[in-house]
Amino acid sequence: KQEVTQIPAALSVPEGENLVLNCSFTDSAIYNLQWFRQDPGKGLTSLLLIQSSQREQTSGRLNASLDKSSGRSTLYIAASQPGDSATYLCAVTRGAQKLVFGQGTRLTINP
Amino acid sequence: NAGVTQTPKFQVLKTGQSMTLQCAQDMNHEYMSWYRQDPGMGLRLIHYSVGAGITDQGEVPNGYNVSRSTTEDFPLRLLSAAPSQTSVYFCASSYTPPTFHSGNTIYFGEGSWLTVV
Repeated sequence: KQEVTQIPAALSVPEGENLVLNCSFTDSAIYNLQWFRQDPGKGLTSLLLIQSSQREQTSGRLNASLDKSSGRSTLYIAASQPGDSATYLCAVTRGAQKLVFGQGTRLTINP
Repeated sequence: NAGVTQTPKFQVLKTGQSMTLQCAQDMNHEYMSWYRQDPGMGLRLIHYSVGAGITDQGEVPNGYNVSRSTTEDFPLRLLSAAPSQTSVYFCASSYTPPTFHSGNTIYFGEGSWLTVV
């Protein structure tokens, strides 16, 4: 059974710092991996999707990497801003038409 | 575009009552799904549909029914509510299923908070 783990569960950093969020998964036979953002009381917003054949994807200040062999992905946020405060979830897709989510990292950027 | 619309936003039910959570999307997406989000458990798939008239079970389907009579709508029915069904429910849609190799953005509704007492 595919399991997805995100550590730490919560992270607090000062504004302007670069930071890395981690995601690990147990089964490397995945189709793709996605990173989502969830604001309090809101739904999820897709940030980046990495296909299994890709190593990384970039969007603005965000960069996501994928290492299938080690079962790891990272989300790098450059020059963090208070507006980046949210919960970040990763999810992998392997089969059965579904995403398997990690429990998320709650990120707080302090002004 | 409204995207994915869920109603109601909040609901309190008594044990044994039934209700329907509504989900509608206006993006002509074939794939729709329902997840529940619980503290410490992440999001778990309840049911999904790959097109009108086609539905299938996800990871935690017990106590829930779905139907897909149109492309736009994918309601989730709680047959006899139990306290264990207290959760936040999210509907999601995308043009193709998440396993499709080309990849595509999945859109989530804003959630329905359900409390069963």
